[in-house]
Amino acid sequence: GQQLNQSPQSMFIQEGEDVSMNCTSSSIFNTWLWYKQDPGEGPVLLIALYKAGELTSNGRLTAQFGITRKDSFLNISASIPSDVGIYFCAGQAGYGGSQGNLIFGKGTKLSVKP
Amino acid sequence: GAVVSQHPSWVICKSGTSVKIECRSLDFQATTMFWYRQFPKQSLMLMATSNEGSKATYEQGVEKDKFLINHASLTLSTLTVTSAHPEDSSFYICSAPKTGLLEQYFGPGTRLTVT
Repeated sequence: GQQLNQSPQSMFIQEGEDVSMNCTSSSIFNTWLWYKQDPGEGPVLLIALYKAGELTSNGRLTAQFGITRKDSFLNISASIPSDVGIYFCAGQAGYGGSQGNLIFGKGTKLSVKP
Repeated sequence: GAVVSQHPSWVICKSGTSVKIECRSLDFQATTMFWYRQFPKQSLMLMATSNEGSKATYEQGVEKDKFLINHASLTLSTLTVTSAHPEDSSFYICSAPKTGLLEQYFGPGTRLTVT
């Protein structure tokens, strides 16, 4: 079945640093989504990407839909303590929520450097 | 953004009992909703697709008789865990795509603990 490889698995951030994470797949996706999940909460949508090559920003977050439709990255600039959490990429093969199930990456856990 | 709610947020039940979890789309209608399960420190795994007016579609390995899904209206889907066992303890999350959009919005999740 379709799988997403998300990396890194975890990383430590210091306030002010830029952060980058990415997802790759052997299959093509038509939509890429990036979510953040805090402990005990459901995932919150950060950015949605619909077109190959699309680059979209949401505040300090920037994400791109790879031109091959098989990858995406998420960048966080000037990180702040509240950026801590688990970030998931998700790919959707079909068009429309009723057709395409989301395939999730395993997540990237952001923690604060001790 | 779209809002999806879940109730209850957490529940503790005894082994052998049944538990119902509700998922509601608060400001939009959803003909389709999705139910996920998440174990600690793991990603979300799709359990089933809930379809308003028709039977739910279950993922491979998910017992449909154990996890009963009812999409009662365009804003409500329920997941009932029947004859719960300790191994059913998990974080259950629903999601719904807002009409006309491709992205899915998630509920806050329900923590189920079976003793």
